[in-house]
Amino acid sequence: GIQVEQSPPDLILQEGANSTLRCNFSDSVNNLQWFHQNPWGQLINLFYIPSGTKQNGRLSATTVATERYSLLYISSSQTTDSGVYFCGYRGGSEKLVFGKGMKLTVNP
Amino acid sequence: AAGVIQSPRHLIKEKRETATLKCYPIPRHDTVYWYQQGPGQDPQFLISFYEKMQSDKGSIPDRFSAQQFSDYHSELNMSSLELGDSALYFCASSPTFPWGGNTIYFGEGSWLTVV
Repeated sequence: GIQVEQSPPDLILQEGANSTLRCNFSDSVNNLQWFHQNPWGQLINLFYIPSGTKQNGRLSATTVATERYSLLYISSSQTTDSGVYFCGYRGGSEKLVFGKGMKLTVNP
Repeated sequence: AAGVIQSPRHLIKEKRETATLKCYPIPRHDTVYWYQQGPGQDPQFLISFYEKMQSDKGSIPDRFSAQQFSDYHSELNMSSLELGDSALYFCASSPTFPWGGNTIYFGEGSWLTVV
């Protein structure tokens, strides 16, 4: 199957800082989503972003499908942004395959 | 907007017992997925159903079974529970892929602790 690499694996920030999370894929993927898993375990849909750029408040995402990567930008981070961020793709089958995740800690 | 509903949210069972998790998908979503997430791990796909038929199968133990009912809700049955089954179990739903939409929506998860 397609390999998904997320980087960095862990990140610690001070409140107010910006960050960029990256997902690399070993092959072309058509359907990509970004999720935030909060400390209570809830998986929250952030973006469905097969290509191009989308923005939602302080968060934005860009996928360059031809170069097999996607980026998630978090600006002016807040402590509530802490948690684990996953990218995931749906290939030929219906199921979504997750990357290993990236743990973000935002300190006050 | 309606979300994916999972119950129970928390469950504690003893080894060798049986547990049943329930999932109510978003209305008009015809595909249901089950995932298992161990501590510090990414969610792993277990099984999916489309129109009440099993559509895909992942690393689901033989001790586990699942089905989707006529009202589209799904149940995951886990028997002969082991300590290693302690995990967060997610149910997710989506419209028909890829024509009906490409976003999968996850429930809040069910925490299973086996003691």
